[in-house]
Amino acid sequence: GENVEQHPSTLSVQEGDSAVIKCTYSDSASNYFPWYKQELGKRPQLIIDIRSNVGEKKDQRIAVTLNKTAKHFSLHITETQPEDSAVYFCAASSNYNQGGKLIFGQGTELSVKP
Amino acid sequence: GAGVSQSPRYKVAKRGQDVALRCDPISGHVSLFWYQQALGQGPEFLTYFQNEAQLDKSGLPSDRFFAERPEGSVSTLKIQRTQQEDSAVYLCASSLALSGSGNTIYFGEGSWLTVV
Repeated sequence: GENVEQHPSTLSVQEGDSAVIKCTYSDSASNYFPWYKQELGKRPQLIIDIRSNVGEKKDQRIAVTLNKTAKHFSLHITETQPEDSAVYFCAASSNYNQGGKLIFGQGTELSVKP
Repeated sequence: GAGVSQSPRYKVAKRGQDVALRCDPISGHVSLFWYQQALGQGPEFLTYFQNEAQLDKSGLPSDRFFAERPEGSVSTLKIQRTQQEDSAVYLCASSLALSGSGNTIYFGEGSWLTVV
């Protein structure tokens, strides 16, 4: 089955710096890659997603890149702010006929120091 | 409703007790998922419904876990004879689409289960 690996598990940056989180996936049929932000005790919230027919997508300070050949994708956050501090999860989906269930990475705890 | 609603938010169960966790998906959403999230881990898939049909239950860890969605809207996850390793947050999620990946999946706040 699909397996998603995420690195690093923790990341600490100074306010204003950039943060990069990387994920690899195993199933070459995966075609949808969302990123979720989860604050302590809260629900995972979608922050950006990318489909396999594009290589990069950007939304203000957040961008995601996808390398299908290498089967990895990354989240880039620029000009980090303290409110970006949270746990970030990548996920991959490949099962078209099952509603697109998501397989998640292990999470990255991002800490932005003011 | 405005979002995916789950109840109870917090449940403490004695080992061996049965529990039932409820999920109200976003109105009109066809697909419904249950995930289990252990402390410090990513959500792990349990089961998937398309309307009232349970199409995938490959993630249910044992036959003590049972899920239903009899009318294609509200879903209940039932855990029988709870054990300490069942302690986790149980997340419900829904999406609008009938099938296909790439459809935004919205999560509820989760039901925090602690088995003592």
